[in-house]
Amino acid sequence: EAEVAQSPRYKITEKSQAVAFWCDPISGHATLYWYRQILGQGPELLVQFQDESVVDDSQLPKDRFSAERLKGVDSTLKIQPAELGDSAMYLCASSLGGMSEQFFGPGTRLTVL
Amino acid sequence: AQKITQTQPGMFVQEKEAVTLDCTYDTSDPSYGLFWYKQPSSGEMIFLIYQGSYDQQNATEGRYSLNFQKARKSANLVISASQLGDSAMYFCAMREGQGGSEKLVFGKGTKLTVNP
Repeated sequence: EAEVAQSPRYKITEKSQAVAFWCDPISGHATLYWYRQILGQGPELLVQFQDESVVDDSQLPKDRFSAERLKGVDSTLKIQPAELGDSAMYLCASSLGGMSEQFFGPGTRLTVL
Repeated sequence: AQKITQTQPGMFVQEKEAVTLDCTYDTSDPSYGLFWYKQPSSGEMIFLIYQGSYDQQNATEGRYSLNFQKARKSANLVISASQLGDSAMYFCAMREGQGGSEKLVFGKGTKLTVNP
């Protein structure tokens, strides 16, 4: 069964360091999402791609976060510099678009010390 | 204002019994979709069930059913015959409209514990 792949699964870093997360969506899914889930809360959208184009990045802290999906397939989310408040689960999801369900990857659990 | 409200931080149910997890939503868009996801302790979000705003019948998927009351803006998840493996966080989410951003807006979740 096709799955969304993410790596790494866990990342521990010190504040002010740079971190990067990778996501490979289900083949054929043009829409890709990055969500951040703080402990005890539901996920919140950071950025949405349609193919290689950003559709929504209104909640992305652009002074330190960046995301790209250069070839419209896999995607990278980067944080530089990391801050203590960035500790969270970062979830990637993909879908066929519209009201179709979003399939989530296993997530990357980030701890910033 | 919160768009998705889940008022039960935690719920307990005995194995083999049914349980209802509450979800209310707020939108002025006539076209929207409601989703339920399960999140085990391992972290992945597992899609359970979907209800469209124009759907005439309540959605069902195996042991999961959605009690959709449009006038009350509620979309409660019913799990029948609970199993120990159902213990997890459950999130209600909504997507509004047909165009533009397709983001899901999630509630804060309900932690379900199934007791043997």
